[in-house]
Amino acid sequence: QVRLQESGPGLVKPSGTLSLTCTVSGGSIGNNIYYWGWIRQPPGKGLEWVGSVYFSGSTYYNPSLKSRLTIFVDRSKNQFSLKLTSVTAADTSVYYCARHSTTVSSNFDSWGQGTLVTVSS
Amino acid sequence: QSVLTQVPSVSGAPGQGVTISCTGTTSNIGAGYGVQWYQQLPGTAPKVLIYGATNRPSGVSDRFSGSIFGTSASLAITGLQADDEADYYCQSYDNSLGAWVFGGGTKLTVL
Repeated sequence: QVRLQESGPGLVKPSGTLSLTCTVSGGSIGNNIYYWGWIRQPPGKGLEWVGSVYFSGSTYYNPSLKSRLTIFVDRSKNQFSLKLTSVTAADTSVYYCARHSTTVSSNFDSWGQGTLVTVSS
Repeated sequence: QSVLTQVPSVSGAPGQGVTISCTGTTSNIGAGYGVQWYQQLPGTAPKVLIYGATNRPSGVSDRFSGSIFGTSASLAITGLQADDEADYYCQSYDNSLGAWVFGGGTKLTVL
């Protein structure tokens, strides 16, 4: 059974860069039938898809975040990572990493436990 | 403003049933991209309840069922139990945005 675990700083200063890593265990990030994605949830609010990456490095970004977002994969470590630049308080959220299949009708079938990132000085 | 529209809250008594709706457009649900439903218990990550509008993953109770009609989908929960109290989200893909999208969520209260 695949497991995902987020890691990274819990506090980021405004205008700084938010960096998170998701470590995948129990399965290979090189499995060609899956995308590896990030979803975030502001405190008390709903879910927002942030972006996804394929093992080859192909990326798919939420248009509202695309200009600030980079997602990349490290196959040697079975990890994928997110970098979000120029953050503001609006980026404060629980960030989840999740797996979904390579069809547009796919569901996010495995999730990490989530990590809270607060943007504050 | 979410691309998929859900009512903010529903409630029901133990043993009763409720239905949660999710309204989309011809760019997402109506385009045949399917609908997924997730249950999020307090303080935990979402868990998929229904995929492909009507399919249950193994281990999900048959008290949960999904349906789809045109640009809308519904999640029905029968025989309400106290531990069904959670937030429920629908999800699809939107081809005009090029993005996977979620509904705003519905909070289920078991009275």
